[in-house]
Amino acid sequence: KQEVTQIPAALSVPEGENLVLNCSFTDSAIYNLQWFRQDPGKGLTSLLLIQSSQREQTSGRLNASLDKSSGRSTLYIAASQPGDSATYLCAVKDFGNEKLTFGTGTRLTIIP
Amino acid sequence: KAGVTQTPRYLIKTRGQQVTLSCSPISGHRSVSWYQQTPGQGLQFLFEYFSETQRNKGNFPGRFSGRQFSNSRSEMNVSTLELGDSALYLCASSLAAVAGNTGELFFGEGSRLTVL
Repeated sequence: KQEVTQIPAALSVPEGENLVLNCSFTDSAIYNLQWFRQDPGKGLTSLLLIQSSQREQTSGRLNASLDKSSGRSTLYIAASQPGDSATYLCAVKDFGNEKLTFGTGTRLTIIP
Repeated sequence: KAGVTQTPRYLIKTRGQQVTLSCSPISGHRSVSWYQQTPGQGLQFLFEYFSETQRNKGNFPGRFSGRQFSNSRSEMNVSTLELGDSALYLCASSLAAVAGNTGELFFGEGSRLTVL
């Protein structure tokens, strides 16, 4: 059974800093891994998707990496801004299954 | 291109009642999934439909059911509501994880259900 863990549960950093969010999963036989952002009371916004054959994906100030062998992914946010404050969730999709298994998220606060 | 649309956005019910939530996927997406989000359990998979067929189901009691129509729109129903059913119910659509597709999921804003 796939299990996804995100540590830390909460993180506060000053504006302008670069930061890394971590995600680990137990079963390396994944189809893809997706990072989401969720603002309070809102739905999920897809940030980046990494296919199992890929090592990283980039979008603007965001960079996500994937190491299947170690069961880890990181989301790197460069030059953080107050608008980046949100909960960040990672989720993995296993082969042959449309279901996403989510981590519990990291609540990020960027201090102006 | 319109995103995933969920209705209603907010609703309040009492214990024992039943509720139906609706989800319209992104045009062209045939896979629709439902998730329950609560502070204690996080995001839990309910079920997934593709071409009107339920392909996957999570570990929820039979009070939770769903269906998909020929236009890919989906509904989920919860009968005999309990206090613990209070949650944000999220719908997601995708092209489905087959060769040539990334399998990326796109979520709606959710339906916030409060059971009193």
